[in-house]
Amino acid sequence: TQLLEQSPQFLSIQEGENLTVYCNSSSVFSSLQWYRQEPGEGPVLLVTVVTGGEVKKLKRLTFQFGDARKDSSLHITAAQPGDTGLYLCAGARDYKLSFGAGTTVTVRA
Amino acid sequence: DTGVSQNPRHKITKRGQNVTFRCDPISEHNRLYWYRQTLGQGPEFLTYFQNEAQLEKSRLLSDRFSAERPKGSFSTLEIQRTEQGDSAMYLCASSRTVTEAFFGQGTRLTVV
Repeated sequence: TQLLEQSPQFLSIQEGENLTVYCNSSSVFSSLQWYRQEPGEGPVLLVTVVTGGEVKKLKRLTFQFGDARKDSSLHITAAQPGDTGLYLCAGARDYKLSFGAGTTVTVRA
Repeated sequence: DTGVSQNPRHKITKRGQNVTFRCDPISEHNRLYWYRQTLGQGPEFLTYFQNEAQLEKSRLLSDRFSAERPKGSFSTLEIQRTEQGDSAMYLCASSRTVTEAFFGQGTRLTVV
């Protein structure tokens, strides 16, 4: 059983459209991280959010941490084919990270 | 900062053989993690080192698995008597704090 639930599991959109990926849990985390992973490679850290209600922007990507530090979202504006990949959220408790199953995003040119 | 390095990138082995993977963390990162990832799933925690001390092992890690981190530098993960169910991507990550873990490219193990 995954501690973090991600939705949707798969997302296929046209270039230029917007998308949102959700990460939910019943547990409280001290911080939450978002990673992107390409096939055959390790996850690459995109952002860490620490404070409840925090919003971080990374170019066309916007990350939000829920007020109660149990959930998070990733919004991509005007998606591009280079955004294609597996997006993973990971919650930190004590010294380790627990991952969701990921959302596979495909952006069609 | 050369990043986390894992070797080999790919390993194909026959069932029953032993395999060993190596992870070289980012220098000065005292925390080192091993994760396992299967198709369609997120990484699952296997074990954690702080410096040379192994502080936690997941229940996923049967007695066929052993990990070491001598002198708090590189780490090795050994799987004895491999089984087909061990086929997965084995990921190593290092960090200074739990809020920023950096992963290597992984070792893809295929047991035939």
